[in-house]
Amino acid sequence: QQQVKQSPQSLIVQKGGISIINCAYENTAFDYFPWYQQFPGKGPALLIAIRPDVSEKKEGRFTISFNKSAKQFSLHIMDSQPGDSATYFCAASSGAGSYQLTFGKGTKLSVIP
Amino acid sequence: DAGVIQSPRHEVTEMGQEVTLRCKPISGHDYLFWYRQTMMRGLELLIYFNNNVPIDDSGMPEDRFSAKMPNASFSTLKIQPSEPRDSAVYFCASSLTDLGGYTFGSGTRLTVV
Repeated sequence: QQQVKQSPQSLIVQKGGISIINCAYENTAFDYFPWYQQFPGKGPALLIAIRPDVSEKKEGRFTISFNKSAKQFSLHIMDSQPGDSATYFCAASSGAGSYQLTFGKGTKLSVIP
Repeated sequence: DAGVIQSPRHEVTEMGQEVTLRCKPISGHDYLFWYRQTMMRGLELLIYFNNNVPIDDSGMPEDRFSAKMPNASFSTLKIQPSEPRDSAVYFCASSLTDLGGYTFGSGTRLTVV
């Protein structure tokens, strides 16, 4: 299975709150899990990524939590700001010479003042 | 580095016409990907190249679609003849082996009327 399932489809969070987006996968060969951020009219941009040898990775206000046994990973945005309003995509890929990313369907985040 | 450069940014064409989308990857990157983004289907991988060689074109929807990469600094995606259902945003992305993650261009918004 190459599918990556992402939820929720849309999310509204108050300024200062925590935004949480979840993804699940089936393919146990996946070994690279990036998150991308996309603003309207722009291409997706790499935000943060994790490999399965760690359970958590933090960069500023953004944290990826990874649960290998459950085959799930999530993005947490702490102290969410209006400037974080964008569409977020999770993705996954496996090594072995293939760097093809499989993307989730995306989550549209709106951070309201 | 100027990033991944795509042209044109917008293309409006009539059904049946030939459309050519262009991409200049980041210098030194050895992978190039073409994605299509729609509201219904999200980000779909159409084809990808490694060192200018097409590796997987299983995502190309029909024979009307073709892609080339004549050298390391240029790729094209051609649709001939175009149809209204081809209307979407087409993204080119490039990557470097072992780097993980892609750098996307700003996309070409194609409208076929």
